Amino acid sequence: DAGVIQSPRHEVTEMGQEVTLRCKPISGHDYLFWYRQTMMRGLELLIYFNNNVPIDDSGMPEDRFSAKMPNASFSTLKIQPSEPRDSAVYFCASSLTSQGNTEAFFGQGTRLTVV
Amino acid sequence: GESVGLHLPTLSVQEGDNSIINCAYSNSASDYFIWYKQESGKGPQFIIDIRSNMDKRQGQRVTVLLNKTVKHLSLQIAATQPGDSAVYFCAEKSSGGSYIPTFGRGTSLIVHP
Repeated sequence: DAGVIQSPRHEVTEMGQEVTLRCKPISGHDYLFWYRQTMMRGLELLIYFNNNVPIDDSGMPEDRFSAKMPNASFSTLKIQPSEPRDSAVYFCASSLTSQGNTEAFFGQGTRLTVV
Repeated sequence: GESVGLHLPTLSVQEGDNSIINCAYSNSASDYFIWYKQESGKGPQFIIDIRSNMDKRQGQRVTVLLNKTVKHLSLQIAATQPGDSAVYFCAEKSSGGSYIPTFGRGTSLIVHP
């Protein structure tokens, strides 16, 4: 498996524009997580899905943020409208719940810059 | 709410030395802990894990120690190499709950050749 795949790797956009980040989890994984990483706050959990259903979105900072998982192999995180303070690295991760290791596997991240 | 935190934001060591990275957790119900390594420009990667019924677990050059009495976790890296330079995070899972990786700010390990 190629691992968790995120696109784009880098995104530069103007304030007010809509931004869509994409994620393809590892095949067969039943959990998907979206994180945001900044120097000030570290890794923050934004939202997670179990079997494509959003379970907890309490980490989503504002209504400008939304996430969807239309099927088991694809998820999006959308910011509309984007603001400079949204600049960060956004990570998607997936995991498989089992009796054994349940570590999350992370993608390479999308570095978002809002100017 | 309860959280995972790290004591030291930056640790500098010489190549060949042993490194110890510490982590404090506050959720006494946590039963599974993981250390991640994040290299520059990459996502966090799994290093080693430990369950709460263990005090120590060893991997290749890495050892994780768990002290449930004081809710403390440590990662020991033997013979540290320049390639070990990265940010290290600990994450926890609560007993009976879904595995939701919760991270502290991380510790930056800098290895000088």
